[in-house]
Amino acid sequence: SQTIHQWPATLVQPVGSPLSLECTVEGTSNPNLYWYRQAAGRGLQLLFYSVGIGQISSEVPQNLSASRPQDRQFILSSKKLLLSDSGFYLCAWMRFGRPNSPLHFGNGTRLTVT
Amino acid sequence: DQQVKQNSPSLSVQEGRISILNCDYTNSMFDYFLWYKKYPAEGPTFLISISSIKDKNEDGRFTVFLNKSAKHLSLHIVPSQPGDSAVYFCAASALTMNYGGSQGNLIFGKGTKLSVKP
Repeated sequence: SQTIHQWPATLVQPVGSPLSLECTVEGTSNPNLYWYRQAAGRGLQLLFYSVGIGQISSEVPQNLSASRPQDRQFILSSKKLLLSDSGFYLCAWMRFGRPNSPLHFGNGTRLTVT
Repeated sequence: DQQVKQNSPSLSVQEGRISILNCDYTNSMFDYFLWYKKYPAEGPTFLISISSIKDKNEDGRFTVFLNKSAKHLSLHIVPSQPGDSAVYFCAASALTMNYGGSQGNLIFGKGTKLSVKP
């Protein structure tokens, strides 16, 4: 069976500090990978999407970047955090070549920028 | 431009009664719809989905209804249980729509918080 791991679960960082959130998927090959953010009262916002190693699509221009160094690893980064980057960050995967199928989410990272 | 709308931020229901969660969409190209359930500090979990070729899909206590002409779908939970208390997200996708760099990516509503009272 497939599993998705996301860490850390919570993170408190000062403004201007860097960020690195990691996500890995097990039990499947070449998944589509996603980073979403849930901000208060705003639902789930798609940030980045990847269909393969080194391929990243950005849906919302912002202070964040994503990378996919390995097939089942997805990393969300920032060089300098802003207060507005606070939120609940979710990694998700979908089977490759199966559009119109469910996304499967990790347990999320609660990021507080102080 | 919000393409998937959940106009009720919250809903309170008595245990044993029916919970009806509603979702409206604006893009007629959407052809696949899903409901997710989310507990605090956890990721959303997939509940049930429906293709646009159907108007109803049932899975145990959960039934999703799709009204394409009204661009409306709903999730019925019968009977409601206290453990159903969570935030429910509606989502939609379209094979022919490019979103997030590829086709078929999900667009989510803002969620409805369901409280089931014992």
